[in-house]
Amino acid sequence: AQKVTQAQTEISVVEKEDVTLDCVYETRDTTYYLFWYKQPPSGELVFLIRRNSFDEQNEISGRYSWNFQKSTSSFNFTITASQVVDSAVYFCALSEMGAQKLVFGQGTRLTINP
Amino acid sequence: DADVTQTPRNRITKTGKRIMLECSQTKGHDRMYWYRQDPGLGLRLIYYSFDVKDINKGEISDGYSVSRQAQAKFSLSLESAIPNQTALYFCATSDGQAFNQPQHFGDGTRLSIL
Repeated sequence: AQKVTQAQTEISVVEKEDVTLDCVYETRDTTYYLFWYKQPPSGELVFLIRRNSFDEQNEISGRYSWNFQKSTSSFNFTITASQVVDSAVYFCALSEMGAQKLVFGQGTRLTINP
Repeated sequence: DADVTQTPRNRITKTGKRIMLECSQTKGHDRMYWYRQDPGLGLRLIYYSFDVKDINKGEISDGYSVSRQAQAKFSLSLESAIPNQTALYFCATSDGQAFNQPQHFGDGTRLSIL
C-alpha cells in the first residue's frame, strides 16, 4: 500500500533562512512518481515538481531544490533564502503505476516571518 | 478563465440537505477526481473517473456519490449532509495517457454543514 508521511506539521523561520521540508514514502511498486504541491493562503493547489522512481538526480529550480533518495525512501524539499511569499502549506504526494492514484501526505505548514 | 472550475466556491447549509458540487474543465483531460481536505489529514480521495463510463470509489466514498455527465463535467453529491462533511473540497484532472502526469486542481469549494 502506498503511504506518504510528512512528519513536520508546522515550521516557522525568519526570512532568508534556509528550510527543508521532509517527505518519507512507502511503496511496494518499483515504478512510481513523487510530487510536491504548494497551497498558498489563497487556497489553490499549485504543482511544483515530479520525480520518477528511476531518476535519483537532485533538481534545482531557483531557490527551490529537491533531494530524492530511494535508499531512505525520502523526497525532501529545500527552500534557500526563504521569502515571505514562500509561506504556504506544502504537500508531498506519491503515485504508483499499479494503483494509478495520487496519495498525499498530511502537509507541512511553512510560515516565513519578516 | 480557469482550466478547472468549481462551483460554488463557498456553501453553508444545514444537516440533512442534499448538496451538489460541480466541476468543469477545459483541459481536455479524461481523468477527473474529487478530494476533500481536512486540517492535519492532507487531501483524501473520494471518487475518481478515468472516462465517462468509468467511476471508481476512493478512500472515503461513504456518504458521497458522483456523476460524470461528460468528459468535461464531474459532479459530487452529498445526499444527506452531516457536520463531519464540513471540509474544503477539490476537483482535479489529469492527462489520461499516463499515471505520471501531475494533477491540475480547481480553486476548491469550502463547504460548511451546520
